[in-house]
Amino acid sequence: EIVLTQSPDTLSLSQGEKGILSCRASQSVPMNYLAWYQQKPGQAPRFLMFGASSRATGIPDRFSGGGSGTNFSLIISRLEPEDFATYYCQQYGSSPWTFGQGTKVEIK
Amino acid sequence: EVQLLESGGDLVQPGGSLRLSCAASGFSFSTYAMSWVRQTPGKGLEWVSSITGTGTKTNFADSVRGRFTISRDNSKNTVYLEMNNLRVEDTAIYYCAKSRLSNLFHFDYWGRGTLVTVSP
Repeated sequence: EIVLTQSPDTLSLSQGEKGILSCRASQSVPMNYLAWYQQKPGQAPRFLMFGASSRATGIPDRFSGGGSGTNFSLIISRLEPEDFATYYCQQYGSSPWTFGQGTKVEIK
Repeated sequence: EVQLLESGGDLVQPGGSLRLSCAASGFSFSTYAMSWVRQTPGKGLEWVSSITGTGTKTNFADSVRGRFTISRDNSKNTVYLEMNNLRVEDTAIYYCAKSRLSNLFHFDYWGRGTLVTVSP
């Protein structure tokens, strides 16, 4: 099983700042099949990125993803008020499909 | 517009059974794999089970294999999760999720979830 570890657990930033979220895998993720999701309290996860670096439909270009192998990142270039949420990475290259524990982006 | 609506969550005693349903609309249901993902209150996400578009292949997390069954009725655009021998640790919000591509298990649409509580 591929274990995903996200860091930091909590990221305290101000609106307009840049956020960098990390997702590290215990072994190489096949085909870089890594996705990112955003979740706000009381809501279902929202699909953001797939294939490590491809944005889902309707996702603003201030969100970008990168990385390969075992190290991946999600970058939010300029935080907007609606971006304060918890973010999860997920690998879908090797069953069982696994999620990271999440990074909470909170208002500083 | 893609919509996924889960139902069937309830309070059940350990050892009990429950069947969750997810009614889908807004897309060609039989084309896509469907999955269940759960979230313990206040904690993270855990993939539970997936089923291919035709229903011929299924997959389960080790934590539920042998106790849970996934199925689908493409004539009703509905996917099911049959849960038996429930444990306290199965308590969670259960989300139904659609795969973005037919054979890749990442999820572009999610339902709002249904709460399963397992308690004596």
